[in-house]
Amino acid sequence: DGGITQSPKYLFRKEGQNVTLSCEQNLNHDAMYWYRQDPGQGLRLIYYSQIVNDFQKGDIAEGYSVSREKKESFPLTVTSAQKNPTAFYLCASSTDGYSNQPQHFGDGTRLSIL
Amino acid sequence: QKEVEQDPGPLSVPEGAIVSLNCTYSNSAFQYFMWYRQYSRKGPELLMYTYSSGNKEDGRFTAQVDKSSKYISLFIRDSQPSDSATYLCAMRGWGNTDKLIFGTGTRLQVFP
Repeated sequence: DGGITQSPKYLFRKEGQNVTLSCEQNLNHDAMYWYRQDPGQGLRLIYYSQIVNDFQKGDIAEGYSVSREKKESFPLTVTSAQKNPTAFYLCASSTDGYSNQPQHFGDGTRLSIL
Repeated sequence: QKEVEQDPGPLSVPEGAIVSLNCTYSNSAFQYFMWYRQYSRKGPELLMYTYSSGNKEDGRFTAQVDKSSKYISLFIRDSQPSDSATYLCAMRGWGNTDKLIFGTGTRLQVFP
């Protein structure tokens, strides 16, 4: 079955620690995205990548970093500089970033502070 | 003012009712409109995808776009308890660098 796999489902971060969220897709999509979802707020874009080895900051990139070394993988690192990391993180992908095709989502990772 | 406004609910209806979910927006450049369904602790699932104005039907779901009023709707006929979820609207312009803008979601509860 084609889809987007996010892991882990739940993650806990200690003070001063960096953590990495995994996102893998087997849809052969070029574009991938990371969003953050907080209660009462719409999804907010953290980073996106339209092609391998290239990525762009979204609206709330501070305290986060990404890499796109392979087409199917787009990991997100939440660094210690992100002071309010508790949220539900969603990874999405689309055919490409240019043709207005809809985005499809994984089932998310819930990150909490210890 | 937010670019996309959506009533958070919750909206509670009996099984079999017709449900109307709505979003208003302020950016007249939006051309592509989507509705996603999100169950608790899950990612959003694409339900409907429409371009510009008009209606689109898929089974029990109908999406409607009125660009002149900057208003989109999702109708659910013969609602079922399994439709209980949060419904997110999303939209974007036609440019290849335009981002997808989401509403905050409306929580729907369908009781038997």
